[in-house]
Amino acid sequence: AQSVTQLGSHVSVSEGALVLLRCNYSSSVPPYLFWYVQYPNQGLQLLLKYTTGATLVKGINGFEAEFKKSETSFHLTKPSAHMSDAAEYFCAVSERSGGGADGLTFGKGTHLIIQP
Amino acid sequence: GAGVSQSPSNKVTEKGKDVELRCDPISGHTALYWYRQSLGQGLEFLIYFQGNSAPDKSGLPSDRFSAERTGGSVSTLTIQRTQQEDSAVYLCASSFRYWLPWGNTEAFFGQGTRLTVV
Repeated sequence: AQSVTQLGSHVSVSEGALVLLRCNYSSSVPPYLFWYVQYPNQGLQLLLKYTTGATLVKGINGFEAEFKKSETSFHLTKPSAHMSDAAEYFCAVSERSGGGADGLTFGKGTHLIIQP
Repeated sequence: GAGVSQSPSNKVTEKGKDVELRCDPISGHTALYWYRQSLGQGLEFLIYFQGNSAPDKSGLPSDRFSAERTGGSVSTLTIQRTQQEDSAVYLCASSFRYWLPWGNTEAFFGQGTRLTVV
């Protein structure tokens, strides 16, 4: 069984400050890992993903995340927050099965607030 | 179509009525998911279809909820005898199951159907 824990339902940072959104997962097999962003009144959009290879993954809008197997973590970071980053962020895990991916489990989400 | 399409985008219904929500996945995607997002809440998994396998219905909150996927493509989520607590945004997503060289394993989401039960 797989699960995702996102620490902090709300995170507030100042514009220009570092953004760190935490995600820990549990999975019985090597996982695929994802971060999605949801802007107000919109659907979810993929920010970045880890499947295989390099553990530091770069995504859109300057975000990146690092897969750390020993810590079962996939934290999302951005060096300098922008007002437009204010949104809901979801971490998700999918387990590898038969060469593919089975089922997608989401964390409860973290609401990122950017202070001017 | 180019993306996941959901209809209607908004639905207002009276308590006790039945509603049907439709999802058109991306062509070729074998996996289809339904999620519910209530105000201020995260994503609640409802049901997962994968090819011709029996769906994973473990997330359906009650027997008033059901879903089907015809021909491995379009899916309909039906809520019978709607209650006010059913008010939420219902999101559909689809994905490839098998890893592909270009790595398209992520799920693509529709814009959702906002259901309001009055």
